Order: sequence, then C-alpha cells, then structure tokens
Amino acid sequence: AAGVIQSPRHLIKEKRETATLKCYPIPRHDTVYWYQQGPGQDPQFLISFYEKMQSDKGSIPDRFSAQQFSDYHSELNMSSLELGDSALYFCASSQGLAGGRGDTQYFGPGTRLTVL
Amino acid sequence: DQQVKQNSPSLSVQEGRISILNCDYTNSMFDYFLWYKKYPAEGPTFLISISSIKDKNEDGRFTVFLNKSAKHLSLHIVPSQPGDSAVYFCAARNSGGSNYKLTFGKGTLLTVNP
Repeated sequence: AAGVIQSPRHLIKEKRETATLKCYPIPRHDTVYWYQQGPGQDPQFLISFYEKMQSDKGSIPDRFSAQQFSDYHSELNMSSLELGDSALYFCASSQGLAGGRGDTQYFGPGTRLTVL
Repeated sequence: DQQVKQNSPSLSVQEGRISILNCDYTNSMFDYFLWYKKYPAEGPTFLISISSIKDKNEDGRFTVFLNKSAKHLSLHIVPSQPGDSAVYFCAARNSGGSNYKLTFGKGTLLTVNP
C-alpha cells in the first residue's frame, strides 16, 4: 500500500539558511500534519492543513511557514535556520474530516534536518 | 506541561511473555487514543487505537485498555516477539472542533529478548 512520502530524507544546512521539506500524502488523504521531534523528545505538532486550508497551528516558529497545494502535497518552509531547528520532521496524512471524527494519522519516514 | 505521560522510558521482556506499556493523560477533553511503534530512522507506525466510548480494543497480539476515570491506558502485547523491540508512543487527540492534532507521550523503549 502507498505510504506517506517525504523528501528529502536528510538535509544539512548552515545557520541562517533556508530549507524546504516536502510531503506527499497517501492517495485520497486530504489532511496533512507536520510534527517536529527533537533528540530524545516526543513529536510536537507544528501545523496542519485540510483541503488546502490551514486547520490548526501548534508551536511553529514565525520563521516557518507551510502550505498545502492543489494535489494535496505540502511543503514546510523554514527560514533563518537556527541550531535548535535540528530535528526529525514528520509529516502525517489522514482522511481528515471526511469521517466526521477524523481518521487515523499515518506518518512518513521523516526528514532529518541538521543545522550546522 | 506534558499532557500525555509515559513514565517508563524503557521496558525489557522475555520473548513469549506479555509486554505491558502504560500511558497516563491529564486532559479530560481527549477522546481518542492511539499507539504508534517507531523503529530508528523510520516514522511512527500506527498500531491500534481506542475511542473513549470503549474500554478495550483488540487486534491480534495487541490489546489496548482504557480506564477513563483514572485517565490511564495500557497496551498489552501477547506473546511478545523480538521484532516488537521498538519505541512505543502513546498519543491522544481531542476530536471536538475541526482539528485532530495528536499529543504524544515521550515514548517507551521496549526490548524483547530472545
């Protein structure tokens, strides 16, 4: 079965640079979530989109922005990178509100971002 | 403030025995709970979930129990297998409103010894 695809899998950037992470949800999933997992930490919710509109926002820095496109893929844009942004970034997708109570979130393999 | 707590960072079990992973939550608005399994360098894999209207859900070797009054849930794996060795995350969500973000615990590393 098709899974969530994230690219790139690994990314190394310098401080103050920008980075773009991409997420391709499972086919027919209309909701995308972004999570950040620091070393030894639990995944923390950043932002989500349903039908190309932002549906919720968590602890996402103002330096980060995201959007969902017409084909439902999503991109997380990160600017003025800081050392503390080094983390695993997971994308998850679900069928969102279609079932009335949302559906299970399925996670991608993650992008490991290292800021030097 | 950690709303979902997994107080045991690690658990070691013999192959064939039962593994019991525990999770507590503080937010009474949570009404749906999930367990994810995570191997290194991979994303969390969905295992099993339970709605707050139930107190038990079973899927093969995996059973999740929910005690709403105690705000406690547990994942039982019987029998445990070496391939079950991974980090297990408990997650919860509030299905009210229009968002379904998950709040995770810090995870429990399960090691199943042959």
